[in-house]
Amino acid sequence: GAVVSQHPSWVICKSGTSVKIECRSLDFQATTMFWYRQFPKQSLMLMATSNEGSKATYEQGVEKDKFLINHASLTLSTLTVTSAHPEDSSFYICSVGGRIQETQYFGPGTRLLVL
Amino acid sequence: GQQLNQSPQSMFIQEGEDVSMNCTSSSIFNTWLWYKQDPGEGPVLLIALYKAGELTSNGRLTAQFGITRKDSFLNISASIPSDVGIYFCAGPSQGGSEKLVFGKGTKLTVNP
Repeated sequence: GAVVSQHPSWVICKSGTSVKIECRSLDFQATTMFWYRQFPKQSLMLMATSNEGSKATYEQGVEKDKFLINHASLTLSTLTVTSAHPEDSSFYICSVGGRIQETQYFGPGTRLLVL
Repeated sequence: GQQLNQSPQSMFIQEGEDVSMNCTSSSIFNTWLWYKQDPGEGPVLLIALYKAGELTSNGRLTAQFGITRKDSFLNISASIPSDVGIYFCAGPSQGGSEKLVFGKGTKLTVNP
């Protein structure tokens, strides 16, 4: 399967600041990456599909102006949480898709805490 | 929309016991995936199933793709403490996209 990394693994920021999270596909050219959010004791919630070279596709209810996604290369997608607030505190996980095998391989996640 | 129902929601077992959990849906799936998530980590793919009736093993783990294509089972034999975690089933979302639908997970606790 694909090897996926995320950076940073955790981040603490003040309310109102912006935070950028990187997702890298280390051994797989990913035209599509996915960003999920997971609250404690809950399942993964898909936020958006990141498409290389084009705009991301956001799930219903996810503010595209707040969660900026950039997928400029086949190995890197970034998620920027703009003007973060305490309610944005969560575990953010990215994944790369496997179109042929219909699987996804996940990064280790980024824990965001907004004070 | 598509939904995956996992049961049980949580399990508390003794080390050495066998574990069985399942995932059901009212919709047909052509692929069933089982992931494990350790605390503070991203999910890791355990087993992928692509054919109705398929039975696939990965070490002490065995998963089956139901004949009706509406369910799947994951069994863990001779559980050990490191089996602790949350197990998610998943399947491709309808419509031809690469998105996945996830169950809510089964939380497994293994007592030494």
